[in-house]
This record gives sequence, C-alpha cells and structure tokens, in this order.
Amino acid sequence: GQNIDQPTEMTATEGAIVQINCTYQTSGFNGLFWYQQHAGEAPTFLSYNVLDGLEEKGRFSSFLSRSKGYSYLLLKELQMKDSASYLCARPGDSNYQLIWGAGTKLIIKP
Amino acid sequence: DVKVTQSSRYLVKRTGEKVFLECVQDMDHENMFWYRQDPGLGLRLIYFSYDVKMKEKGDIPEGYSVSREKKERFSLILESASTNQTSMYLCASKPTGQHSYEQYFGPGTRLTVT
Repeated sequence: GQNIDQPTEMTATEGAIVQINCTYQTSGFNGLFWYQQHAGEAPTFLSYNVLDGLEEKGRFSSFLSRSKGYSYLLLKELQMKDSASYLCARPGDSNYQLIWGAGTKLIIKP
Repeated sequence: DVKVTQSSRYLVKRTGEKVFLECVQDMDHENMFWYRQDPGLGLRLIYFSYDVKMKEKGDIPEGYSVSREKKERFSLILESASTNQTSMYLCASKPTGQHSYEQYFGPGTRLTVT
C-alpha cells in the first residue's frame, strides 16, 4: 500500500517540546519529507530524510527509521508561530510524484 | 528564491462555468503539478506535467484538464464547475533530477463554486 498516516491534531504549550509521528507502508523507498503549512498559505519545505537517524536544524529535527516505516518531526522551544499543519510526504513510484499524508494540525497554547 | 505564483488567491464561480487557474514559475523547472487540498484528505494530485505540452493524470483528474504551452506556465481548467470542486488548489514545481524531490508551492487559490 501507499498509505501515510499521521495524527489529525495535536496540542502543545509554548516553550515545550512536541513530536509529530508519521508512518508509511511501502516496499520501495526514496526518503521522507516534512513540510509546514500555515493556515491559508502554501506548504513550505522543512526537511528531507533519506538515511536512518536524526537530522537537526535549529529548533526542528526530523528522524527516520526505514526498517520500521516511521518518521517523526521534533519541535523544541515551541513558539506561537509554530501553530500550523505539518505534512509528511514520500516520493511515489515515479520521479515526479510525492505521496502526502493528510497533515497534523498543531495548536500551540500560551 | 524559487517563485511560484497563482493568478488568484480567492475565486467564486457558479455551477457550470468554465474556470481557468493559472500558475507561473520563474525557476525554469521542468515539472509542474496541480493539487487540491481538502480538510482531512491532504494534498491530492490532479495532473502533472514533466515538459512543455506533456501532461499526465494524477489521482483525481476527473472534471479537470490542463494546458502547458510554455515551460513556465501550467493552467488548470475546470470545464464545467461543480460544487464538489470547491477546494483549495495548489500549484507546485520542481526541477528534474534523480534526487530532486522537493516541490515548491504557490500561495494557492481558494475556489468556491456556488
């Protein structure tokens, strides 16, 4: 199958840490993307993992385990501006396509 | 910076009207995409194009057509708009290359069909 699953919504507190999980099912694999999308705006690229392990970019980190079909996005020192939807996606069977999860809406509370 | 622009941010059309959504990118990308995004369903691919005058159906092409006459421009056409086509429409582009998976998105067009 080509399903990508992620939680629909999460809530966290300003200044805290939150982990958004993404699981996928596929026999072939070419990496996993994370995008951020603020309400009413276009998705913007956050990260791309092709190898197992954790990649850190400032307050945001992304982890991948290919054997488990599992990724997560870790957001530290949460700020109100981090309130957004977070989409995970993986390349499809062709070089052209991305297969998208439905997105996780992250709500940050003061 | 890559820039992808879409002709309208908001559009209201009546059922049965022919609707044109335009997308332009300025980075000489070979590949362009049209998605629609609905709550709980994520991004669904309508059509994509990997070269001028070339097009491929995505997952939900029914009720839509596309045109790619120039490399920088990719148009989505709703031949006869229906209420179930009310949605957010996103255009994206990306270069060709074995490891060029990242897609760059336009700001989106929120289409309402009444």
